[in-house]
Amino acid sequence: EAQVTQNPRYLITVTGKKLTVTCSQNMNHEYMSWYRQDPGLGLRQIYYSMNVEVTDKGDVPEGYKVSRKEKRNFPLILESPSPNQTSLYFCASRLTGSYGYTFGSGTRLTVV
Amino acid sequence: QKEVEQDPGPLSVPEGAIVSLNCTYSNSAFQYFMWYRQYSRKGPELLMYTYSSGNKEDGRFTAQVDKSSKYISLFIRDSQPSDSATYLCASYFSGSARQLTFGSGTQLTVLP
Repeated sequence: EAQVTQNPRYLITVTGKKLTVTCSQNMNHEYMSWYRQDPGLGLRQIYYSMNVEVTDKGDVPEGYKVSRKEKRNFPLILESPSPNQTSLYFCASRLTGSYGYTFGSGTRLTVV
Repeated sequence: QKEVEQDPGPLSVPEGAIVSLNCTYSNSAFQYFMWYRQYSRKGPELLMYTYSSGNKEDGRFTAQVDKSSKYISLFIRDSQPSDSATYLCASYFSGSARQLTFGSGTQLTVLP
């Protein structure tokens, strides 16, 4: 089944403890992106990647890191999480030239 | 000012009603317009897309774009309880490496 898989689905952590949210897609998509979704603010792009080893900042990149060493994987790294990073995170991917992203099921992160 | 504005609702309608969901946008460069549907605890899924102005119909759903007024609409005919979800409009323009700009979403409930 064609899909974007995120792990974990739920995560509670403490301020300052480094964490990684994994994202993997099995559709050979070039583009991948991370979004966070907050009430009243909608989906905001954190980082995106146009292909392997090519990444760039989105609208809200502060406090996040990404890497794209393989085409299928695009992990999101929070080096020192803070409570304002409590949010619902989505990974998404798409083919070059297509219009629609395929989204993962989301990761609900709580930083206390 | 956000580039894509959307009334957050919530919107509650009886089964069988015609639903109108609307967005406005400010970036004249936007060329592609999409509607995503997001069920609770799921990632957004692409529902419809249109290029430039005009209408597009798919079953009970009609997407409409008026570039002169920068207005995006989604109409749902004969609404069903299974249409209960959050609907997000999104826009982007060719050559925009940052990809989609989302509205904040409208929560729709269709009552049986």
